Amino acid sequence: SQQGEEDPQALSIQEGENATMNCSYKTSINNLQWYRQNSGRGLVHLILIRSNEREKHSGRLRVTLDTSKKSSSLLITASRAADTASYFCATAISGGYNKLIFGAGTRLAVHP
Amino acid sequence: GAVVSQHPSRVICKSGTSVKIECRSLDFQATTMFWYRQFPKQSLMLMATSNEGSKATYEQGVEKDKFLINHASLTLSTLTVTSAHPEDSSFYICSARDDRTGGVQPQHFGDGTRLSIL
Repeated sequence: SQQGEEDPQALSIQEGENATMNCSYKTSINNLQWYRQNSGRGLVHLILIRSNEREKHSGRLRVTLDTSKKSSSLLITASRAADTASYFCATAISGGYNKLIFGAGTRLAVHP
Repeated sequence: GAVVSQHPSRVICKSGTSVKIECRSLDFQATTMFWYRQFPKQSLMLMATSNEGSKATYEQGVEKDKFLINHASLTLSTLTVTSAHPEDSSFYICSARDDRTGGVQPQHFGDGTRLSIL
C-alpha cells in the first residue's frame, strides 16, 4: 500500500517563482528520497535525506525532514520551465531489501 | 554512470499474448532489482523485489503466476506478463540498486515500458 501522501497534487507557477511540495509518511524510515519523473519516462533521483538529518541542499533544491511529524518538504527555488515534471517522495523502509514506498506525487507545471 | 536500460520502451499486442520486459544494469552489478507499475497520473506501486539467484518477493495482491520474474544474472532481471489482458495495460518501470553502494543509496531507474493490450 502507499506509504504516504503528497500535497499539493498539482502546482502551477511562473518561471522564477519558488515551488514547495510536501510529503507525509506513516512508518519509521531509514531515509527519504525525492525523485523527478518527466512525462512517460523513468525516475531520476534528486536528493536523499537520512533520518538523522533535518535539512539538505543540492543546487536549487532544498529538502527538510521532520521525523516527529513524519513529513518532508522539497523546495525548488527560482523555477524554470524545464522543472516541469512530477515529483515523488519515497521512503526507504527499515529491514528487508530497503525497498522504496512512493508517495502520490506532485505534478509541477512551470510556465514561461 | 549507474545506467539502467529497460527494453522494450513500448509494446502493443493482442489479448492473450505473453510479454517479456528486460531490465539491465549497464555499468554496475545489481543483486537486487525492483519492478513497479504505474497507472496514468498516479504513483509507482511496487510489484516485486527481484533477487539474483533466488525467487522474487512479491507484494501483497500481485499475482506471482501472472507476473513472472527472473533474475538470472547480476545485470539482468526480466518481467514476463503472462497471457496479458487489457487490464494489464500500464507503465512498468524497473529499478536497480548498485551493489557497491549498499541498501541505503538511491535506486537507479529504467525509462519504463508502456504496455498496451488490445
